[in-house]
Amino acid sequence: QKEVEQNSGPLSVPEGAIASLNCTYSDRGSQSFFWYRQYSGKSPELIMFIYSNGDKEDGRFTAQLNKASQYVSLLIRDSQPSDSATYLCAVTAGNNRKLIWGLGTSLAVNP
Amino acid sequence: EPEVTQTPSHQVTQMGQEVILRCVPISNHLYFYWYRQILGQKVEFLVSFYNNEISEKSEIFDDQFSVERPDGSNFTLKIRSTKLEDSAMYFCASSRQLWDTEAFFGQGTRLTVV
Repeated sequence: QKEVEQNSGPLSVPEGAIASLNCTYSDRGSQSFFWYRQYSGKSPELIMFIYSNGDKEDGRFTAQLNKASQYVSLLIRDSQPSDSATYLCAVTAGNNRKLIWGLGTSLAVNP
Repeated sequence: EPEVTQTPSHQVTQMGQEVILRCVPISNHLYFYWYRQILGQKVEFLVSFYNNEISEKSEIFDDQFSVERPDGSNFTLKIRSTKLEDSAMYFCASSRQLWDTEAFFGQGTRLTVV
């Protein structure tokens, strides 16, 4: 059973701080890794994707991938109250034909 | 900005009835997906569709479910003989290509089976 695991939280950070979200996955064949943001009752919204080991930065967001450790993370710099949401990690299954999702980490950014 | 559109936003149906959930993917996308999310649970892949046929389906997607692209724009999910446990948010998504599984999601249909 291929799995994606995330700490469900809630993770609480003060406004302006760095929020660090983590995700581990079980399928060594996974090739693509995604972070989605989901507000309550809404659909997932793509924040970032990463394919290669290392860091990928986009504005206040940095995704980090370590395939050897089967670990992917998302850093949010200068956190804002509007970043308060559930962050979903999703990885492609080994055959690259579908996404396997984590349960998500709830983030609360306090003003 | 192009977006995936789903209708209806909320559907209430009697147990045992059939429902059709509708989606209009982004126009230049070639791959279409259905996912569902039961309240408080993980997003679950149901099916992917390419070139007018199913390319992958999960163990959830049994004979109760079917998908169709009846015309050049709509993509539908039919659920026959609905059960209480089918109550969930159903999300349609589309992407330009399979490798680029950077899928964009519609706003979802909340299905409530009573």
